[in-house]
Amino acid sequence: DAGITQSPRYKITETGRQVTLMCHQTWSHSYMFWYRQDLGHGLRLIYYSAAADITDKGEVPDGYVVSRSKTENFPLTLESATRSQTSVYFCASSLIAGISSYEQYFGPGTRLTVT
Amino acid sequence: AQKVTQAQTEISVVEKEDVTLDCVYETRDTTYYLFWYKQPPSGELVFLIRRNSFDEQNEISGRYSWNFQKSTSSFNFTITASQVVDSAVYFCALRGGSNYKLTFGKGTLLTVNP
Repeated sequence: DAGITQSPRYKITETGRQVTLMCHQTWSHSYMFWYRQDLGHGLRLIYYSAAADITDKGEVPDGYVVSRSKTENFPLTLESATRSQTSVYFCASSLIAGISSYEQYFGPGTRLTVT
Repeated sequence: AQKVTQAQTEISVVEKEDVTLDCVYETRDTTYYLFWYKQPPSGELVFLIRRNSFDEQNEISGRYSWNFQKSTSSFNFTITASQVVDSAVYFCALRGGSNYKLTFGKGTLLTVNP
């Protein structure tokens, strides 16, 4: 299917475990982003990527690792999950060219619970 | 630094009322972009509109309209004749011209009652 997808949609894991959230887009957008959404904090940027093999930190990167070996995929890994990482995670992508700023399109989200 | 303020945390209206959601932003960039997103109870984030700082024209799309005023750093969103399906959290967001990051407001929860 065309668009941006995330998997899994729901995940429960234990403290200390490694978990990877997947994001895949079919638009060939250059930019991809990971956000977390928490009550009281709204949406906060974790990491973003301008192209394959180019990534940069956002507002709350600690405890997360990203990679982007292919344009269409942007996985987010929690190396050692903590309860404070319980959240809803959104992946987004956008086509940014020249001086225009294209909107970001969001995936359906992954609800992660760390016990 | 960029900042987006949505002072209204929650708004409750009765169906068919008009409602305006406020958004005030701060940025040092001379070129910037403003967005509105809708998050219905199902949880997905839906893009509604993008406005460039060099284009102050207001926009109307069906029952939705947006009022962009650089003089007051505001980008307000009005829903005319609200419907129950408009119930959602609405986010205003800002991207400064010098970087690619979106800064979101905390969102406004709109409840439209039948």
